[in-house]
Amino acid sequence: ETGVTQTPRHLVMGMTNKKSLKCEQHLGHNAMYWYKQSAKKPLELMFVYSLEERVENNSVPSRFSPECPNSSHLFLHLHTLQPEDSALYLCASSPSDRKSSYEQYFGPGTRLTVT
Amino acid sequence: AQSVSQHNHHVILSEAASLELGCNYSYGGTVNLFWYVQYPGQHLQLLLKYFSGDPLVKGIKGFEAEFIKSKFSFNLRKPSVQWSDTAEYFCAVIGETGRRALTFGSGTRLQVQP
Repeated sequence: ETGVTQTPRHLVMGMTNKKSLKCEQHLGHNAMYWYKQSAKKPLELMFVYSLEERVENNSVPSRFSPECPNSSHLFLHLHTLQPEDSALYLCASSPSDRKSSYEQYFGPGTRLTVT
Repeated sequence: AQSVSQHNHHVILSEAASLELGCNYSYGGTVNLFWYVQYPGQHLQLLLKYFSGDPLVKGIKGFEAEFIKSKFSFNLRKPSVQWSDTAEYFCAVIGETGRRALTFGSGTRLQVQP
């Protein structure tokens, strides 16, 4: 499979659960990103990883914890979420975060519902 | 800080009508500009991009966009839309310096009626 994949595609969790979202890119890219897409709001950047190092954290609450074990995989660990965290979580990758002209490739997203 | 405004939130057109979606950005330096499209049930994909050079850029599926630096605009156009163009369209910007990731507009939902 090529491109950027995300699992699971749908997730329903209670406020006390712990779950993880997984992203995998098969493009040989060095930078990976997490975005949050809420209804009627612009996509919001959450985290940027470059060569497995977190280079940007966009004021995201600590109940979201990213992990990048290698340049192909990116996780988002979730715990004690709130209902307002329900959204579509998108992963993206690009060849590098250093050159802004590199386009980002997006995965299909994980639709998260917090009950 | 950079920001992007898309003025049309929901556009309804008949097939064969012409399309223009507005996008304005706010950033003090050199920018790179993108239009992404999200078809129903599918992931975001790049429609076209502008880095430098000819301000009129052509993308996939007959779309084009014009960068007007004096107006801080990057409007998306298509002369004749098709039902298959029904989707949500996002304008995005990234500055040459500063943040490493895209800043998106709120999106425009386009509905093309057969």
